[in-house]
Amino acid sequence: KAGVTQTPRYLIKTRGQQVTLSCSPISGHRSVSWYQQTPGQGLQFLFEYFSETQRNKGNFPGRFSGRQFSNSRSEMNVSTLELGDSALYLCASSFQGAFEKLFFGSGTQLSVL
Amino acid sequence: TQLLEQSPQFLSIQEGENLTVYCNSSSVFSSLQWYRQEPGEGPVLLVTVVTGGEVKKLKRLTFQFGDARKDSSLHITAAQPGDTGLYLCAGTGNAGGTSYGKLTFGQGTILTVHP
Repeated sequence: KAGVTQTPRYLIKTRGQQVTLSCSPISGHRSVSWYQQTPGQGLQFLFEYFSETQRNKGNFPGRFSGRQFSNSRSEMNVSTLELGDSALYLCASSFQGAFEKLFFGSGTQLSVL
Repeated sequence: TQLLEQSPQFLSIQEGENLTVYCNSSSVFSSLQWYRQEPGEGPVLLVTVVTGGEVKKLKRLTFQFGDARKDSSLHITAAQPGDTGLYLCAGTGNAGGTSYGKLTFGQGTILTVHP
């Protein structure tokens, strides 16, 4: 059974640009969550999608957005990149997203110059 | 806002030593999960504790959930170099929409076990 796949693994952007990250969950999983990991703040919850609907959202500015497709694949977008957006972005999937074991991908390392 | 304070932040020990990592909060959590993360990878779940006072063992690792479900600990006996990594505790909130997919993570403990 394939794990959670995130692409790309590494990304370098400059301030002001926008970026789109992709996440393919484990087959059969309908919930996809996104987290930002930085050395200073640790892992912080961005949002969660289930059946193409955002059910939960963390405390991030509107520049951070996401969506989920009918096959449960998810994308997150960050517009007008800032230096502080440099981080490891992790995607996690589960069957229903409530009090369950989360399976994390290896992440996308984003560097903003 | 639920917060989890994890300590210590860094731990450097010799092979064969024992260690304990603590995870504390002023909030009650429905469950506490412990993850281990290696460089360049995502966190991998080690265990979930749900009931206050619960103790779970995974080989040389012992996990405990506090009676009031506000704190947890991870104890490793006879640490080995293969235990090296980032250990994270994470709490799930109470029932309701604000809990979907959301884990509240501690800052993590970077453990280094020297041969």
